[in-house]
Amino acid sequence: DGGITQSPKYLFRKEGQNVTLSCEQNLNHDAMYWYRQDPGQGLRLIYYSQIVNDFQKGDIAEGYSVSREKKESFPLTVTSAQKNPTAFYLCASSISQGPGNTIYFGEGSWLTVV
Amino acid sequence: GNSVTQMEGPVTLSEEAFLTINCTYTATGYPSLFWYVQYPGEGLQLLLKATKADDKGSNKGFEATYRKETTSFHLEKGSVQVSDSAVYFCALYNAGNNRKLIWGLGTSLAVNP
Repeated sequence: DGGITQSPKYLFRKEGQNVTLSCEQNLNHDAMYWYRQDPGQGLRLIYYSQIVNDFQKGDIAEGYSVSREKKESFPLTVTSAQKNPTAFYLCASSISQGPGNTIYFGEGSWLTVV
Repeated sequence: GNSVTQMEGPVTLSEEAFLTINCTYTATGYPSLFWYVQYPGEGLQLLLKATKADDKGSNKGFEATYRKETTSFHLEKGSVQVSDSAVYFCALYNAGNNRKLIWGLGTSLAVNP
C-alpha cells in the first residue's frame, strides 16, 4: 500500500541530545513537509522540500535540520538547540506544491524530553 | 496576509445531531480551501476540498461550500456519529503566500451516544 511511514512512533530525548525522526513515502511525491503540533496551536510548518536536494525553512525552523537526499526520504533532526521539543511531529507529502494538491500525512511521532 | 479562523471547541453533540463548524478566511485572490480530520493519536486525513468559489466539497456525509462573498467554508453534517469524534482543521492554500498551506487551530468534536 502507498503511504507515508514515520518512525519511531514514540521517542524520548534527554536534554542536550540530538534525535532524528524518519519519514519515508512511496507515493512518488515531489514535495515533502514537516509540521509540529502542540495543543491549542494547530499545525506549524518546520521545513519543506519541493524537490530532491532542496529544502526551505518554514515558520519555526530554529533548532531543527533536514535533508532530502532521496525523493522518498525526508528525515528531521531535532537538535539540542531546540529548547522546547516536546510535541507531536507530522510528516506529509504532496505531488507538488500547488493549488488543490492534496497533502497526505503520516501517523505522526511523539517526542518527549526527559 | 492570509489567515484562517475556526470556531473554538470543544464541540460536544449527541449522536444524530446536526453539526456545523465555522471557518472563515482572509486571503487575496482565489485560494483553495480544505477540511482535514485528525482522529485520536493519528495523522491528518483530507476530508474534503474546494478549489473555486461556489464549489461544494463533500465526503462521508460532510459538506462545505466555498463562499467568496462571506469568505467562509463552514463544515456541516446532518447526522453525526460517535465515530466522527475527532479534531477538524480548516486550511487555505494561496499561491501568493509562498505556496504554503495556512491552517486553522482545529476544532475538537466529541459525539456522545
